[in-house]
Amino acid sequence: AQSVTQPDARVTVSEGASLQLRCKYSYSATPYLFWYVQYPRQGLQLLLKYYSGDPVVQGVNSFEAEFSKSNSSFHLQKASVHWSDSAVYFCALSAQGSNAKLTFGKGTKLSVKS
Amino acid sequence: GPKVLQIPSHQIIDMGQMVTLNCDPVSNHLYFYWYKQILGQQMEFLVNFYNGKVMEKSKLFKDQFSVERPDGSYFTLKIQPTALEDSAVYFCASSLPANSDYTFGSGTRLLVI
Repeated sequence: AQSVTQPDARVTVSEGASLQLRCKYSYSATPYLFWYVQYPRQGLQLLLKYYSGDPVVQGVNSFEAEFSKSNSSFHLQKASVHWSDSAVYFCALSAQGSNAKLTFGKGTKLSVKS
Repeated sequence: GPKVLQIPSHQIIDMGQMVTLNCDPVSNHLYFYWYKQILGQQMEFLVNFYNGKVMEKSKLFKDQFSVERPDGSYFTLKIQPTALEDSAVYFCASSLPANSDYTFGSGTRLLVI
């Protein structure tokens, strides 16, 4: 069975501060890992993905994430957040290979205070 | 970028009635998916569909659910009959073969009363 845990349901940070959103996964092999963002009344937008290779992946809007096999983690980070980053962030995994289903975490709602 | 369109955006329906949710996937995508998101919870996989067939479905994909894409038109999710617990946001997604870059729609908010 595969699962994704996002331990923080809500995170509040001040504009300009750094950010880390945590994601832990459970899977018997090395998965594909994703971070998506969901703005109100919109679909999911892909921020970044990890398939293999360099464990630090860069994404859109200066987001990055680091894959750690030893910790079964894929935390999302940003050096300096903007108020427009306020949204819900979902971590997800799939089996390696194409077109596999995604398993999502429960999401972390990020609020950025200006 | 390319978009997945979902019609309607909102639907209210009486319990026991039939509902069809429509998805217009990205034009050259060949894999299609439905996910269900109950308010405040994570999105959960329902089904994926390729070449006219269901490839995989979850335990949430009850017997009352069906999917099809007749003649390359909308990819549809039909629920017949609906139940109160079917109230959720249903997201459609599509992808190319040999690719895990999914494009998601904005969701259809279904309320069964």
